[in-house]
Amino acid sequence: QKEVEQNSGPLSVPEGAIASLNCTYSDRGSQSFFWYRQYSGKSPELIMSIYSNGDKEDGRFTAQLNKASQYVSLLIRDSQPSDSATYLCAGGINAGNNRKLIWGLGTSLAVNP
Amino acid sequence: GAVVSQHPSRVICKSGTSVKIECRSLDFQATTMFWYRQFPKQSLMLMATSNEGSKATYEQGVEKDKFLINHASLTLSTLTVTSAHPEDSSFYICSARDLTAGELFFGEGSRLTVL
Repeated sequence: QKEVEQNSGPLSVPEGAIASLNCTYSDRGSQSFFWYRQYSGKSPELIMSIYSNGDKEDGRFTAQLNKASQYVSLLIRDSQPSDSATYLCAGGINAGNNRKLIWGLGTSLAVNP
Repeated sequence: GAVVSQHPSRVICKSGTSVKIECRSLDFQATTMFWYRQFPKQSLMLMATSNEGSKATYEQGVEKDKFLINHASLTLSTLTVTSAHPEDSSFYICSARDLTAGELFFGEGSRLTVL
């Protein structure tokens, strides 16, 4: 069974620190990976997508992909209290004629002022 | 990013009634839309994949006769919860894939409460 695993947390970091969120996946055929942020009671919001090995940076966010080790991570620099949310990792797979995402259960992040 | 609009955001209904939720992609065409359900403090659960012009593909354990999905155009998919019961109370979220970007964007979600 194809899986995406995340540590549920909560991960607690002080304001201004770097938050590191990790995700592993089981399907070596996955080619695309996504990080979503979900505030309580709201729908997920796309933060980063990454398709190739290495780092991808966007503002305070850096996604890292290592296909050999089958992990994806998200670094949040200069963490702010507004970053407190659940972060969902997803991997894209081909399912018949459709592409679908396999979701992790999410990591809860708390940034303390 | 792309915009996906979902309506209504909140609905309260009596047990036994049907509720329709609409999902629209506002600035891109979506041949495929996805419907999710999320219970409190749990992760997203994919219910079905909605394909424009064809029947939806339901995940195991999801009753296709209870959760009717129609994807009549490239910008609109609807989910109808038929004969709703209190256990159907949940947060229903649609998403659509932007074919050019390959990324999945979510609607705002619809919180259904069945009394």
